Amino acid sequence: SAVISQKPSRDICQRGTSLTIQCQVDSQVTMMFWYRQQPGQSLTLIATANQGSEATYESGFVIDKFPISRPNLTFSTLTVSNMSPEDSSIYLCSVQGSGPEAFFGQGTRLTVV
Amino acid sequence: GEDVEQSLFLSVREGDSSVINCTYTDSSSTYLYWYKQEPGAGLQLLTYIFSNMDMKQDQRLTVLLNKKDKHLSLRIADTQTGDSAIYFCAEKGDSGAGSYQLTFGKGTKLSVIP
Repeated sequence: SAVISQKPSRDICQRGTSLTIQCQVDSQVTMMFWYRQQPGQSLTLIATANQGSEATYESGFVIDKFPISRPNLTFSTLTVSNMSPEDSSIYLCSVQGSGPEAFFGQGTRLTVV
Repeated sequence: GEDVEQSLFLSVREGDSSVINCTYTDSSSTYLYWYKQEPGAGLQLLTYIFSNMDMKQDQRLTVLLNKKDKHLSLRIADTQTGDSAIYFCAEKGDSGAGSYQLTFGKGTKLSVIP
């Protein structure tokens, strides 16, 4: 199984600021994803992080709000820009390799005040 | 879009079996998954099943899949207090460019009574 390190684990941020979340995997993986889990809710896919090209965003999510980088096969970042209290959520990095397993990081608990 | 449904709460006594149910709508699902989320933690992959299987057993966990009815269940034998968590059902479809994406249910909160 892949070991995923996600940083920071939690943060409290002022509205209007931005936060960058890092996801580091201990092995090269084919696919990396970013999910959002709003309080008491299920997981919603934000985007697929593509290595060497622009991320693929799901309906309702845009690059200006959630810019994503993936410079190589083991690392990705998600930035939550111009934050508002509605952005308070858990943000999770997920990876899939050549097999069917999908693994998740521990998540970043973001509170916007 | 595709949908995954789960009951929100389940309460069992320690030592009993727990059965968490899930239904899904995607007829092209390739894999179905069960994840566990403990308070303050990320998602832990418990097990998964390929869509052409009807059962998979792994120690205390038994997964049953009824593909005709699009029904998935997770049975936990001899439930312990450490099993208290939220359990998410998820499915992976086979829709070309979106085939890696997982669709999640809202999660079932399992409470184990000592």
